[in-house]
Amino acid sequence: NAGVTQTPKFQVLKTGQSMTLQCAQDMNHNSMYWYRQDPGMGLRLIYYSASEGTTDKGEVPNGYNVSRLNKREFSLRLESAAPSQTSVYFCASSGAPTDTQYFGPGTRLTVL
Amino acid sequence: GQQLNQSPQSMFIQEGEDVSMNCTSSSIFNTWLWYKQEPGEGPVLLIALYKAGELTSNGRLTAQFGITRKDSFLNISASIPSDVGIYFCAGHSAGGTSYGKLTFGQGTILTVHP
Repeated sequence: NAGVTQTPKFQVLKTGQSMTLQCAQDMNHNSMYWYRQDPGMGLRLIYYSASEGTTDKGEVPNGYNVSRLNKREFSLRLESAAPSQTSVYFCASSGAPTDTQYFGPGTRLTVL
Repeated sequence: GQQLNQSPQSMFIQEGEDVSMNCTSSSIFNTWLWYKQEPGEGPVLLIALYKAGELTSNGRLTAQFGITRKDSFLNISASIPSDVGIYFCAGHSAGGTSYGKLTFGQGTILTVHP
């Protein structure tokens, strides 16, 4: 039982490049989330998916898109990376009955 | 929007000392969660609180859900070096458009000197 997995663990991009961060969970959770973590800012919600087939914007969605590919997988895409998107990105999932969120190990992204 | 104020921002303590940190909110939460994050890792759930007034322990950790539903505290007794990390509180409002979304505090950085 791996919980929440994320790939890649590290990534360096040049400004304007695109990439997709992958997330998968094996806990049969309905809901999945993408956060970014910046120093002194805690975790901020980018997008979430309450259930398969639905996605909604969080606190900081600009510059990102998401796809809920199926119940297990939720990807985050940066179409044209900017230095302001340098951050650590965490995926999380939650499900009944408590809806408590469990986090993946993170992707450390640097945009030059 | 909802905001959580977590304090203190950082703590430097000696091994064996007790630790206390807390979070206050401008709005009501239905769930309070406490997470620990170690360097290079994602947050790991320590304690979850689901009812106002609830007091829950997990080993040396004790957390309480404030009776007003706007605050929570976490205590760590007899600290050890492996307690080092960043501790986050998080509040969860269930129902409506905020379903499932957590609001996080800014974190408390804990350093334990042997």
